[in-house]
Amino acid sequence: NAGVTQTPKFRILKIGQSMTLQCTQDMNHNYMYWYRQDPGMGLKLIYYSVGAGITDKGEVPNGYNVSRSTTEDFPLRLELAAPSQTSVYFCASSYLGQPQHFGDGTRLSIL
Amino acid sequence: AQKVTQAQTEISVVEKEDVTLDCVYETRDTTYYLFWYKQPPSGELVFLIRRNSFDEQNEISGRYSWNFQKSTSSFNFTITASQVVDSAVYFCALSDTQGGSEKLVFGKGTKLTVNP
Repeated sequence: NAGVTQTPKFRILKIGQSMTLQCTQDMNHNYMYWYRQDPGMGLKLIYYSVGAGITDKGEVPNGYNVSRSTTEDFPLRLELAAPSQTSVYFCASSYLGQPQHFGDGTRLSIL
Repeated sequence: AQKVTQAQTEISVVEKEDVTLDCVYETRDTTYYLFWYKQPPSGELVFLIRRNSFDEQNEISGRYSWNFQKSTSSFNFTITASQVVDSAVYFCALSDTQGGSEKLVFGKGTKLTVNP
């Protein structure tokens, strides 16, 4: 019963470094999403994908990139980390018309 | 644009009290979905309910109930006889179906503290 798995759970980056947040789901869901949650705020959509090879921007895509080469994986890339990207990142997946299943989140700090 | 407003930032109650969490939404879509998620102190997001815009019937699940009123664009959540384990941040969300997916627009959340 893995569901949506995010790695790493915690990470500290220096300004200007790059990293990839991994997200894998084993439910064969078509749809996958990346959200960020800033302190005291709700989640905001960064990018989403409706299937392998198809991605699109959400509300706050600047500073991030994604790819979707397989149904299972939807990695999120930060190219030049900035303090404003300190946040908790959630990956989610679903079938259309069904509730999204969320991973446990990645807590990222950029110093 | 889609918008969800949870005007109550924090609520504190004593165990066994009933508590209602308010949610007001804005959308131009005629078909949409509304959701409630729970985020306990451990940080994960727990799905509670998904409601279709065409179904205005109230929903009850144990101590939880939801009141959906399209006339006032509200989807309020009531916990009856609250318990300490209900302490969490609760998010209301609205679906945005443009682009062929079901993206979620979240409110800022209401932090509920249930004191023993």
